[in-house]
Amino acid sequence: DAEITQSPRHKITETGRQVTLACHQTWNHNNMFWYRQDLGHGLRLIHYSYGVQDTNKGEVSDGYSVSRSNTEDLPLTLESAASSQTSVYFCASSFSNNQPQHFGDGTRLSIL
Amino acid sequence: DQQVKQNSPSLSVQEGRISILNCDYTNSMFDYFLWYKKYPAEGPTFLISISSIKDKNEDGRFTVFLNKSAKHLSLHIVPSQPGDSAVYFCAAKEAAGGTSYGKLTFGQGTILTVHP
Repeated sequence: DAEITQSPRHKITETGRQVTLACHQTWNHNNMFWYRQDLGHGLRLIHYSYGVQDTNKGEVSDGYSVSRSNTEDLPLTLESAASSQTSVYFCASSFSNNQPQHFGDGTRLSIL
Repeated sequence: DQQVKQNSPSLSVQEGRISILNCDYTNSMFDYFLWYKKYPAEGPTFLISISSIKDKNEDGRFTVFLNKSAKHLSLHIVPSQPGDSAVYFCAAKEAAGGTSYGKLTFGQGTILTVHP
């Protein structure tokens, strides 16, 4: 079955470190998205991509970057982790803008 | 500036009764609305959606109502079951041609608890 997987599921790191969260989907979806979920804020969009080599900033993109070198993967990098980036991160994908997004099971990131 | 708001952080309902979850939005460019359901330690899963050209969409026990003039939508679950206990997020998308087309804007979520 096609799916979307995130790794790792849990990570603890220190402030100032670079961290990369992986997202891999096997649906051959063009669109991929990264969100963070925080209490009281719901899901907020970090970055998104509409295809290979395309990346765009979302509403909370500061301190994060993404790259899209193939259809299947959209890794999210925290260049220099900050405690404010402690959160649960979700990756999602969709075939087109008119289709619902499908989510991975999330990565819980703690920055100490 | 929260463009999509779910003003009830939690809702508690008895099994068999109706659950009504509410969502308000401010952006008049939104023309497509979705509800997602989320269990602990899992990602959100798509539940039901509605286009702005409709005022109601039904799928089994789940019905979404849209009131465009009030910029309000609601999700009705009838009858509610204990397995429906989860966090429910409403989300909205702008019409094609909008600067944010394709992106979803989510509400804060409502925790639904259905008691046996």
